[in-house]
Amino acid sequence: EAQVTQNPRYLITVTGKKLTVTCSQNMNHEYMSWYRQDPGLGLRQIYYSMNVEVTDKGDVPEGYKVSRKEKRNFPLILESPSPNQTSLYFCASSFRTEANGYTFGSGTRLTVV
Amino acid sequence: AQSVTQLGSHVSVSEGALVLLRCNYSSSVPPYLFWYVQYPNQGLQLLLKYTTGATLVKGINGFEAEFKKSETSFHLTKPSAHMSDAAEYFCAVAGSARQLTFGSGTQLTVLP
Repeated sequence: EAQVTQNPRYLITVTGKKLTVTCSQNMNHEYMSWYRQDPGLGLRQIYYSMNVEVTDKGDVPEGYKVSRKEKRNFPLILESPSPNQTSLYFCASSFRTEANGYTFGSGTRLTVV
Repeated sequence: AQSVTQLGSHVSVSEGALVLLRCNYSSSVPPYLFWYVQYPNQGLQLLLKYTTGATLVKGINGFEAEFKKSETSFHLTKPSAHMSDAAEYFCAVAGSARQLTFGSGTQLTVLP
């Protein structure tokens, strides 16, 4: 089954403790992206990657890091999480460009206390 | 620059009634337009998209949307609402850079 897999689904952590949210897709998509979803704000792009070793900032990149060492994986790293990063996070992938439409993962609900 | 405005953060309809969710966009070039649906505790699922060609686009689950360039709109409709349509709906636009910008979403409630 074609899918984007995120782990974990739920995570509670403490301020300052580094964490990684993993994302993997099995569709051989070039384009991958991370979004955060907050009530009333819709989805805001954190980082995106057009291919292996090519990443760029989205609209809200502060406090996040990403890497794209393999085509299928695109982990999101929070080096020192803060409470304002409490949110619902989605990984997504698409064929070549965003304009082809995204396939989304099921989401990771992160709480930073 | 590009942007999306979804009019109405919450919309309620009776089962069997017409569903109309409004989306207006701004883009400096002919846009690609999308509607996504999000069911509780799930990711977003592509409902339909407009790129070029026919301005009336049909999607999954009986939904359709019409691209109206003169009105810069891409409203989502369904003739008869079903209880299973209750979800949050997001409009999105891809402009000159072909990067997606999402609207803030519309929560659809279907009343029995």
